[in-house]
Amino acid sequence: DQQVKQNSPSLSVQEGRISILNCDYTNSMFDYFLWYKKYPAEGPTFLISISSIKDKNEDGRFTVFLNKSAKHLSLHIVPSQPGDSAVYFCAASASGKSGGSYIPTFGRGTSLIVHP
Amino acid sequence: GAVVSQHPSRVICKSGTSVKIECRSLDFQATTMFWYRQFPKQSLMLMATSNEGSKATYEQGVEKDKFLINHASLTLSTLTVTSAHPEDSSFYICSARDRGGGGHYGYTFGSGTRLTVV
Repeated sequence: DQQVKQNSPSLSVQEGRISILNCDYTNSMFDYFLWYKKYPAEGPTFLISISSIKDKNEDGRFTVFLNKSAKHLSLHIVPSQPGDSAVYFCAASASGKSGGSYIPTFGRGTSLIVHP
Repeated sequence: GAVVSQHPSRVICKSGTSVKIECRSLDFQATTMFWYRQFPKQSLMLMATSNEGSKATYEQGVEKDKFLINHASLTLSTLTVTSAHPEDSSFYICSARDRGGGGHYGYTFGSGTRLTVV
């Protein structure tokens, strides 16, 4: 039973356009959400995160939106660049006060390809 | 920033043999390290949590006698896949959390090991 779902295995976008990667979760205990980026032959690297007390967090070209009622979050990349081509993993974790362990649970990843 | 080194990056072994994968935190001390496995088109699945100086905590469904984890120092954890079979072929990746860190932050990943059992 997947607690974090990324239903789009791949996404293709033209350079300069917006990339929107989606993620859904089922566990109500999750109160922190993270996006990781992974290049081939490398480990995932942290990209951006959001706490459940917020609905938006922005860092340069990257913005994460959280809709708690829908248990949905999305990562927006504007403008998309060819160097953004990678696999993006959505992850969620639960803090101790929520009865969690802080260890992130990952989705399957979405492969983003940005065409020049 | 924090760096986690994982070796080997790729290994091919014969069925029935054992393979050891090393995970080292290079510039920080990691009291806790995590081992994940990823099958093609699947999530990174947590296999076990490794605590320095104590026994690893395995996730449900992960055979502790098959996947031996040793975390003998604050900078090194090893995963040994014993008596490997073709179904163990997968991408194994470790993660370490800085000793001074906590909460949701501070997870640094190694580059992963592609294991192929023939």
